[in-house]
Amino acid sequence: AQTVTQSQPEMSVQEAETVTLSCTYDTSENNYYLFWYKQPPSRQMILVIRQEAYKQQNATENRFSVNFQKAAKSFSLKISDSQLGDTAMYFCAFMFRRGNTPLVFGKGTRLSVIA
Amino acid sequence: DVKVTQSSRYLVKRTGEKVFLECVQDMDHENMFWYRQDPGLGLRLIYFSYDVKMKEKGDIPEGYSVSREKKERFSLILESASTNQTSMYLCASSWLVTSAKETQYFGPGTRLLVL
Repeated sequence: AQTVTQSQPEMSVQEAETVTLSCTYDTSENNYYLFWYKQPPSRQMILVIRQEAYKQQNATENRFSVNFQKAAKSFSLKISDSQLGDTAMYFCAFMFRRGNTPLVFGKGTRLSVIA
Repeated sequence: DVKVTQSSRYLVKRTGEKVFLECVQDMDHENMFWYRQDPGLGLRLIYFSYDVKMKEKGDIPEGYSVSREKKERFSLILESASTNQTSMYLCASSWLVTSAKETQYFGPGTRLLVL
C-alpha cells in the first residue's frame, strides 16, 4: 500500500519569512499525482498545489512552490513571504493517475505563522 | 464553483444510536468519498463510491456503511454509534477520470460527538 509521511507534526514561522514543509511517499508505480492541501482552523480543506509525477518541472502557485525529487520520493512545500492567513494544517497527499483511486494522505503538519 | 455540502456541522449522539451523515455535491462528480479526521492520524478513508449504488471499502470501514442512491448524494451510516467514533467526518467528491486539472473537493466537515 502507498504511504505518505510528514515528519513534522508542528512548525512555526515568522511573518514574511520562508518555511518548508517536508513530505515523503512510498510507491512502486511511476504514474501518479502529488498534492498539498491546506485546512485553516474551522474551515474547509482546499487544494494548494499539485504536481504530476511525469513532469520534471516543479509546480509553483504564487507564494507556494514544491521541490519534487522523484528518485528520492520527496515532495516538500515551500511557502515564501509567509502571511498570517497561511496558519493551517497542511496535508500532503498521493493519488495514482487512473480513475477510481482515492487520495492517500499524510498525517499533516500544523503550521503557525507568528506576527 | 464546486459545492460539497454536509448536512450538519456539529452532531451529538448517544451510544447505540443510528447516525446518518449526508453529503451532497452539485458538480455531477462520479466519485464521492468519506474520510475520518483525527488529531495525529490525518485523514483516513472510510468508504468511497465511483457510481450510483457502487461502493468500495477504504482503510477503516468497520462500524460504518454507506449508501449512494443518487449521483449527487452519498450517505455515511453508523449503525450503532460508539464513543470511539467521535471524530470529524469529511466528505469529498471528484470526477471519475483523473486529469492534471482535477482534484478532490471537500465539504466543511461534520464534527460528531458520541456520548
